[in-house]
Amino acid sequence: QQQVKQSPQSLIVQKGGISIINCAYENTAFDYFPWYQQFPGKGPALLIAIRPDVSEKKEGRFTISFNKSAKQFSLHIMDSQPGDSATYFCAALDQTGANNLFFGTGTRLTVIP
Amino acid sequence: KAGVTQTPRYLIKTRGQQVTLSCSPISGHRSVSWYQQTPGQGLQFLFEYFSETQRNKGNFPGRFSGRQFSNSRSEMNVSTLELGDSALYLCASSLGTGMLGTQYFGPGTRLLVL
Repeated sequence: QQQVKQSPQSLIVQKGGISIINCAYENTAFDYFPWYQQFPGKGPALLIAIRPDVSEKKEGRFTISFNKSAKQFSLHIMDSQPGDSATYFCAALDQTGANNLFFGTGTRLTVIP
Repeated sequence: KAGVTQTPRYLIKTRGQQVTLSCSPISGHRSVSWYQQTPGQGLQFLFEYFSETQRNKGNFPGRFSGRQFSNSRSEMNVSTLELGDSALYLCASSLGTGMLGTQYFGPGTRLLVL
């Protein structure tokens, strides 16, 4: 059972456009939500993360929007660039019990010039 | 500062064999976590070691084990390999324990089980 549902599976955006990736979860014990960026042949790299007591966090062109009541969070990439073309993973951390980090299935973003 | 290194980068084994993968964290990092990445299941957390102790564990069978040495280097062992163990195994290091801190991932070891 997928603990974190991520959509879309793939996304094609024009250069300068806005890329939006959505994630949803059910487990209310999740209390930390990071996003990772992975380029082919590389390991994931932490992009930005948010705690559930904050509704939005912005770092440069990257923004996380968090809706606690809907149990949804999303990544917005403003002014998308070809260099942003990568696979993006959302994740959620459950610090109770096994302290496990659950990942979404990934979104392959392609930004076309 | 050198990044996280993993050896070997590629490995081919046959069913029933065992395999040991190695991870050297960034200097000064004491936490090492291991992940399995497959096209079907995506990224899944295996376990985390901090100061030579396993702190957290994901939902994998006992065939998957690990250890951490006093210099923070970590090894992961998979015994009695199955075809489904074919995957990219990633390790990540961070300064402190737990997943809250920034984890720095290595390039991974790609394991193929025939």
